[in-house]
Amino acid sequence: KAGVTQTPRYLIKTRGQQVTLSCSPISGHRSVSWYQQTPGQGLQFLFEYFSETQRNKGNFPGRFSGRQFSNSRSEMNVSTLELGDSALYLCASRGSPDRGRNTEAFFGQGTRLTVV
Amino acid sequence: AQKITQTQPGMFVQEKEAVTLDCTYDTSDQSYGLFWYKQPSSGEMIFLIYQGSYDEQNATEGRYSLNFQKARKSANLVISASQLGDSAMYFCAMRADAGGTSYGKLTFGQGTILTVHP
Repeated sequence: KAGVTQTPRYLIKTRGQQVTLSCSPISGHRSVSWYQQTPGQGLQFLFEYFSETQRNKGNFPGRFSGRQFSNSRSEMNVSTLELGDSALYLCASRGSPDRGRNTEAFFGQGTRLTVV
Repeated sequence: AQKITQTQPGMFVQEKEAVTLDCTYDTSDQSYGLFWYKQPSSGEMIFLIYQGSYDEQNATEGRYSLNFQKARKSANLVISASQLGDSAMYFCAMRADAGGTSYGKLTFGQGTILTVHP
């Protein structure tokens, strides 16, 4: 069973540009979450999608947006890039979002974004 | 609001020995889950173990066990028989099980870097 796939793995962008990152969840998983990881702020929640609907959003500016397609693949977009957006962006997928055991999130290898 | 605290920035352990990584949490939610993840230098977050707040038994997964003390709000990870491949960053995280705005969101601690010496 394939894991969570994030593309691209590495990306270098210039300030002011925009970027789109992609995440393909584990087959059958319908929930996708995005996290930003930086040395200073650690891991911070960006947003979560389930069945193409954004269900939860972290405390990030509107330059950060996302969407989910009918096949559960998700994209996140960052517009007008700033130097501080340089980070590892991690995507996680879950199966059923119901309560109970084994509701762990499985993560991809991340996309390392560098803004210059 | 949920908060996870990992007070050990770095830990060292000898190969084949056991090590405990500390995690305390704070939440007003009645039902929640606690997780530990391992992040090697490659960046991928690897799920290790899960403990539900209403689980009476401490969770175990192979060499990993979670020492859950609900009254103290602690969820320490115990790694037995450490291996060189265990050297990595370890994160404690929690997620509310109830519906609402926290649903699905994982809140992470700052992490502990574990180094296993041969």
